[in-house]
Parts: sequence; C-alpha cells; structure tokens
Amino acid sequence: GNSVTQMEGPVTLSEEAFLTINCTYTATGYPSLFWYVQYPGEGLQLLLKATKADDKGSNKGFEATYRKETTSFHLEKGSVQVSDSAVYFCALSPSNDYKLSFGAGTTVTVRA
Amino acid sequence: DTEVTQTPKHLVMGMTNKKSLKCEQHMGHRAMYWYKQKAKKPPELMFVYSYEKLSINESVPSRFSPECPNSSLLNLHLHALQPEDSALYLCASSRLLSSGHPSYEQYFGPGTRLTVT
Repeated sequence: GNSVTQMEGPVTLSEEAFLTINCTYTATGYPSLFWYVQYPGEGLQLLLKATKADDKGSNKGFEATYRKETTSFHLEKGSVQVSDSAVYFCALSPSNDYKLSFGAGTTVTVRA
Repeated sequence: DTEVTQTPKHLVMGMTNKKSLKCEQHMGHRAMYWYKQKAKKPPELMFVYSYEKLSINESVPSRFSPECPNSSLLNLHLHALQPEDSALYLCASSRLLSSGHPSYEQYFGPGTRLTVT
C-alpha cells in the first residue's frame, strides 16, 4: 500500500536556523508528493508540490526535491522565522488515485 | 479566489442535537471532500463528492450525513454524535481532470472545531 513516514517531532529551533524535515514514502508507480502546513488553529495549506522525479517544489523559502532513487521528499528552509511555527505534513497522491496519504505530521516551534 | 470557507468556526453540541457544518468554494472545483482531524494527527478522509454526487464514503457512521446541494456548497449533517466525534472537520476541494478523476491538488478550508458534550 501507499504510506508516508516523516521524522518525529517536535522540532524546536532558534530564529534563522536551518530546518530539515525528513520524509520518505512507499508507493507503486509515480506518485505526486506534497508538503502541507497547518498553522495553529487553522486548516491545511498546500506549501509545495512535485509531480515527477527530480522536480523541486518551492514556496515561501521552503524547498523539497522529489528523489525517486531514495523515495524521499525532504523539506528544507535555510533561515526560519517565528512565523514558521506550525505542523508540517508530508503527503502523497498515487498516480492512479487522488486520495492523499499523509505522514504523521511534524510540529515545528521557532523561538525568537 | 482560491479560498474554501467553512462555517461555523466552532461548534459545541450535545449528543441528542442535530447540527450542520457548511463549506463553500468559488474556484469552480467539481470535487469536494470532508476530512476529520483529531488533535496532533493527520486528516482522515470521510467523503468525496464528484459532480455533486457522492463517490467515496470511507465507512463513516451514519450519524454523519453529507450533502452537496450544488457545485459550490458542501454540507455535513450531524445527528446523535458521540464525544469521540469531537475533532476538527476540514472541507477541501479540487479540480476534476479530463479523465473524470479529481486532481491530486486539494485546497483546504480552515475547519470547524466540533466539541460533542
């Protein structure tokens, strides 16, 4: 079946630190990969996506590259801000299905 | 307009009450979804509507009853809920592809935080 594994949180960082959240997946075929962000008290927002191998998704200073050889889609940001404090979900949609499979979520707290 | 709106933002209801959650989108999307999210967990898919018809019911108890009155609106009718149904209920929408399948790119609303007492 399809599944997503992301690093356990919580992650606590200082402002301007480098952030990496690891995400690996299991899927047949060529899934599309996503990072969603959920700020406190809000719904999910699509942060970035990649639909094929070697694609790089980027948005708001965040980046993730679709690595088929390592079945990974790690999220990175070079310099985090307090406003980046949120829960981050890695997700996939299989090539033959639109259902999203989510990882467990990683809570990130950025301290000033 | 890339927004999905949901009302109410918060809802407290007793186990004998009947209430409804509402969702609206004006992006022209023809697929709409209901998800349930418990605290510190990822969302769980409940229902999917395509072209205003129910296409997926993920074995959700009958005390949850979805309705899609038109292409912009999605309701979730609640009756005789249990305390364990307390959660954040998220609505989402997406395009339908030429194949008739929903696009993988879903847009989420802010959710309704439901408490069942």
